[in-house]
Amino acid sequence: DTAVSQTPKYLVTQMGNDKSIKCEQNLGHDTMYWYKQDSKKFLKIMFSYNNKELIINETVPNRFSPKSPDKAHLNLHINSLELGDSAVYFCASSQDWGLAGETQYFGPGTRLLVL
Amino acid sequence: AQTVTQSQPEMSVQEAETVTLSCTYDTSESNYYLFWYKQPPSRQMILVIRQEAYKQQNATENRFSVNFQKAAKSFSLKISDSQLGDTAMYFCAFRAYSGGGADGLTFGKGTHLIIQP
Repeated sequence: DTAVSQTPKYLVTQMGNDKSIKCEQNLGHDTMYWYKQDSKKFLKIMFSYNNKELIINETVPNRFSPKSPDKAHLNLHINSLELGDSAVYFCASSQDWGLAGETQYFGPGTRLLVL
Repeated sequence: AQTVTQSQPEMSVQEAETVTLSCTYDTSESNYYLFWYKQPPSRQMILVIRQEAYKQQNATENRFSVNFQKAAKSFSLKISDSQLGDTAMYFCAFRAYSGGGADGLTFGKGTHLIIQP
């Protein structure tokens, strides 16, 4: 069974469109994250949710809106897509937000290409 | 704010050799963890090894070990008996406690390690 899954794996879309990426974890973890990996492979935290509550909200355009319907799911909705949004987006989860040493389990990534 | 620096964009070694990837970090926190993550061509991020700042003993996981120098804020990864499957991007990462919980991971820019047959 896949621990952290993301759909879709690839997403090609036009500028100005709205798109969503879904993430699900079956590990029973309380905390989920979104990271963005740019074209130079640099990874940066975007958001973190703990038990469906937003914990970390880095400096991200408000066109990006995470939603956690339950603690096993964390979706990322992006409005008015721009060329600079092209990247690989990784979802991750860990057992507990309070434990800095916890392993974060990453999904396979969603490669978003905005044309 | 924390920063993580990996000064080697790319390294290449022969199979079975030992290779060391360097990482330095900057922080004012006293309670934190350091990690090395591996990202093979499949894109999957895999935890290789972790080190708690309060532990003086260097972490080891089979062929992977770290050299943690807290005063120098240095955290290098040594891979012994390198294998073709070790070819990947390697990311050094930092995570501290703040505001009642833990921050997200702060990553370095990565080192692309190529193991030659």
